[in-house]
Amino acid sequence: DTEVTQTPKHLVMGMTNKKSLKCEQHMGHRAMYWYKQKAKKPPELMFVYSYEKLSINESVPSRFSPECPNSSLLNLHLHALQPEDSALYLCASSRMGQGEKLFFGSGTQLSVL
Amino acid sequence: AQTVTQSQPEMSVQEAETVTLSCTYDTSENNYYLFWYKQPPSRQMILVIRQEAYKQQNATENRFSVNFQKAAKSFSLKISDSQLGDTAMYFCVRGSSNTGKLIFGQGTTLQVKP
Repeated sequence: DTEVTQTPKHLVMGMTNKKSLKCEQHMGHRAMYWYKQKAKKPPELMFVYSYEKLSINESVPSRFSPECPNSSLLNLHLHALQPEDSALYLCASSRMGQGEKLFFGSGTQLSVL
Repeated sequence: AQTVTQSQPEMSVQEAETVTLSCTYDTSENNYYLFWYKQPPSRQMILVIRQEAYKQQNATENRFSVNFQKAAKSFSLKISDSQLGDTAMYFCVRGSSNTGKLIFGQGTTLQVKP
């Protein structure tokens, strides 16, 4: 199994809603990532979990809250988002989190109304 | 600054022709990884090819090959026999062994024309 699975694929939410994005991998990777990508731009790193501990937080607003329940799962909890948070949210994993290749999920396209 | 520069925002190529995408990067590290990722209209990010900086031999993957010039900090991607399915945005990426971060270039949009 060489896949990173993200759910849902599409999400529309209001600014007062609470929702969660989910990501799962069964490759035994010990590093998992959240990226935000606007159209025609490169992905921007948000968070990195290494061995289930938050190792990088790129000064992301607190309305985004990551969670890593175990080595296979990564969640991103969303609350009180703004319209400018509309984007493609990509989850990725890598073997050790040392700059080696990432395996990406297919993303969640988020629209905030 | 630890940057990755792709100087060609858009390119096009005729089907079956060869095209080269440019990339330069800046780093003070000695050990790092370089990648080309493609992102087709489906927006799935797909690894095309990978190069470890300590290896002098250029990586190849079927129709895709790189020209890695470590001293010049250059990492170009050559696509041979271009196919319609190669239409995508291509990102040059440098991986840092020190920080664990991947640094993306701004991307090159490649259109393969029939």
